[in-house]
Amino acid sequence: GAVVSQHPSWVICKSGTSVKIECRSLDFQATTMFWYRQFPKQSLMLMATSNEGSKATYEQGVEKDKFLINHASLTLSTLTVTSAHPEDSSFYICSASKTGRNEQFFGPGTRLTVL
Amino acid sequence: QKEVEQDPGPLSVPEGAIVSLNCTYSNSAFQYFMWYRQYSRKGPELLMYTYSSGNKEDGRFTAQVDKSSKYISLFIRDSQPSDSATYLCAMTYSGAGSYQLTFGKGTKLSVIP
Repeated sequence: GAVVSQHPSWVICKSGTSVKIECRSLDFQATTMFWYRQFPKQSLMLMATSNEGSKATYEQGVEKDKFLINHASLTLSTLTVTSAHPEDSSFYICSASKTGRNEQFFGPGTRLTVL
Repeated sequence: QKEVEQDPGPLSVPEGAIVSLNCTYSNSAFQYFMWYRQYSRKGPELLMYTYSSGNKEDGRFTAQVDKSSKYISLFIRDSQPSDSATYLCAMTYSGAGSYQLTFGKGTKLSVIP
């Protein structure tokens, strides 16, 4: 199997607070994890690529100080949205690749609503 | 020209029909091709994975890759209402950083009972 979990599945927070989203590969080791955001009726937008033990690589236009990514182990990556604002409200999805493979297995997503 | 073009639909078919979903791409370097299914408010689920040109069959699903035409297809036989979802094509190549995927915009499929 290739199961990826995300926690929480949804979160509502006040503007200015920080939110942490966890992404775990449950039955395999993931050297690489990816973070995406998806707006309604749109495709996935890659935010950053995270390799275990090294700094994440952010896509152009994504603020690394606002979206903090930590990939501390081969099964866990976290995305922290710092000082969240209403425009950060979105569906955040992570994916993970098995070591040596290029297929990505996606988590169920986290819906963030910032009031 | 976008790297990957995919008709967003929506596509409505009666139950039992054969569905054909397609993507075209412009980057001849793409080697690995995937189809994902995404239900509303869920993460994408990997359906099919193929390498280079050729066909691959898995149950009611068949994936085709024609690298000479830069064209990939996903066929769904005996379509079911449970197949109603958005289908995303995705592709990558060994030179892409960490095998980053390039996605199509997705085709929304509705199978009518």
